[in-house]
Amino acid sequence: GQQLNQSPQSMFIQEGEDVSMNCTSSSIFNTWLWYKQDPGEGPVLLIALYKAGELTSNGRLTAQFGITRKDSFLNISASIPSDVGIYFCAGHTVWETSGSRLTFGEGTQLTVNP
Amino acid sequence: SQTIHQWPATLVQPVGSPLSLECTVEGTSNPNLYWYRQAAGRGLQLLFYSVGIGQISSEVPQNLSASRPQDRQFILSSKKLLLSDSGFYLCAWSLELRQPQHFGDGTRLSIL
Repeated sequence: GQQLNQSPQSMFIQEGEDVSMNCTSSSIFNTWLWYKQDPGEGPVLLIALYKAGELTSNGRLTAQFGITRKDSFLNISASIPSDVGIYFCAGHTVWETSGSRLTFGEGTQLTVNP
Repeated sequence: SQTIHQWPATLVQPVGSPLSLECTVEGTSNPNLYWYRQAAGRGLQLLFYSVGIGQISSEVPQNLSASRPQDRQFILSSKKLLLSDSGFYLCAWSLELRQPQHFGDGTRLSIL
């Protein structure tokens, strides 16, 4: 089945530092998504990438969809304490008219020290 | 705007008891609906999805079932819970199959 390799598993950084995480897959995805999850809550969508090579920003977040459609990275600039949480990449596969599936990476736990 | 609600937020059940988790979406019609399970704060696994009333697709064989009795209601059930059913259950919706999924706040299920 499809699998996503997300790295690093955890990061401990100082406030103000930049962060980078990435995901790779052996499969091609229609869309690549990045979510953030706070403890006890559901994942919240941060960025959606639809085209190979696409580079998209959302405030301090920047993500890119790899040319091969098999990888993506997420960068967070000038981190702040509220950036703490688990970040997930997800590859989106769609079967026309019948359904779709998100395949999730195992997450990157981000800790930001003030 | 669309909102998604899940309840209960937490649930403690004995082994062998039945289960019913409910998810409802407001502010849209004919959403695609999904049930995921998350173990130990890590990656989510798709359990069921539905593209319409009464239409349920199962992704993995398990002790659970899903139903969609109304357009915006998705229910996760079990007749007899197992210890291995413990976990964090998340419901999600999307407007169209190609659009990103949006998640509820989940139900933390503990089996004793």
